[in-house]
Formats: sequence, structure tokens, C-alpha cells
Amino acid sequence: QKEVEQNSGPLSVPEGAIASLNCTYSDRGSQSFFWYRQYSGKSPELIMFIYSNGDKEDGRFTAQLNKASQYVSLLIRDSQPSDSATYLCAVNPGGNNRLAFGKGNQVVVIP
Amino acid sequence: DAGVIQSPRHEVTEMGQEVTLRCKPISGHDYLFWYRQTMMRGLELLIYFNNNVPIDDSGMPEDRFSAKMPNASFSTLKIQPSEPRDSAVYFCASSPIGRETQYFGPGTRLLVL
Repeated sequence: QKEVEQNSGPLSVPEGAIASLNCTYSDRGSQSFFWYRQYSGKSPELIMFIYSNGDKEDGRFTAQLNKASQYVSLLIRDSQPSDSATYLCAVNPGGNNRLAFGKGNQVVVIP
Repeated sequence: DAGVIQSPRHEVTEMGQEVTLRCKPISGHDYLFWYRQTMMRGLELLIYFNNNVPIDDSGMPEDRFSAKMPNASFSTLKIQPSEPRDSAVYFCASSPIGRETQYFGPGTRLLVL
């Protein structure tokens, strides 16, 4: 079983709509969770992190964590063409600074 | 403040040649990570260091790969001999102690012919 799984294929959303991404993780002891955005040909950049169960909002982005079900979600409200990118979910399994990354979900915002 | 610096940005080489990738982490960061990214396998952790000491190299694919961190401001990833299947983007990232957030360099695009 992979440490972090992002199974959805490319997601196409119209401009202004909500994009919803999901990620599951295998290590129940994981304590911290991250979403990175990666534009084509660029390096990953952090957009959100969350440690506690529930929701965390930052501008148009909301991260949701459910430790009991071992999943993390990212919502992008009022999607813009500039949000078109691959979104990587990352989990810290605990004990050090290592992160386990999912393979990513591509988001395409259609004007 | 400068971010993570990697060189070269692009490398094209022939099979069998030695390849050396370089990384300068963000000043003051105690952790340094080397990743490889391909379409098929995504972002894979190869090795990481804490205070210049290798902590986990279980992701290094085989003995052809080696990494060093002689001081807090410099690390190298070496592939010898290189093979076409090593073609990928190699990222270096660093993070400060006490925070898991990793900051990535621009990457090195390696093509082995």
C-alpha cells in the first residue's frame, strides 16, 4: 500500500467553479499534511498545511482533514485559469522531516 | 533571501557518463532532500540529510547513485554510470528544524541518451 494516494484523473472545472481534490494516506500516526502546487515545468510550491481535524481556510483554498478516515481534501473556490496546475498531497509520517508525496492531480480551469 | 539553488538546470549526457548534480540549500535549514520526478512514478525521495549526515538513503535506486553533503551549504548527487532510465527531473529541497515544510529548488532536467 502506498503511503499517499491520489487516484483521481485530470480534473476539468469551469472558471468560477469549485475544484475538489482528495488524498488518502496509510499511516494512521501521521501528524501533518500538506498541499503543494506544481505548474508545468516548475518545482512544487507549498500552498497549504494542516495539522488538526477539520477545515483550514486560506483565501480561496480550504484544506480539510479527517484523521479517522485518513483523508485530506483541498477545495479551490472561484477557480481561476491561473489555478491550472498539478496539486500534490504530502504527508509527514512522523518522527522526522520526511514527507511522502502522492503522484498528484492535474487541474485544468476552463475559461 | 535566495531560495534553494540547483545546478545545472539542464543536463544532456550519453549513457555511461558520470553526472553530478549540485544543490545549495536555504541558509539555516538543517534538512536537505533529493527527489526524482517522472511521469510514471511521480515524486520519489532518494535520500535526505540532517545536519550534513545522511539519514535515509533507502530511496536511492542502486549503487550507481551516490550523494554527499560535505558542509551545510552544499550537496551533490552523482550518477555513475548514467543510463537512459535515469532521465528525469531531479529536485533538491530543504527545510528548517522543527518545521516539516520543504522548499524546493528549480530542479535539474536530466536526459541520458
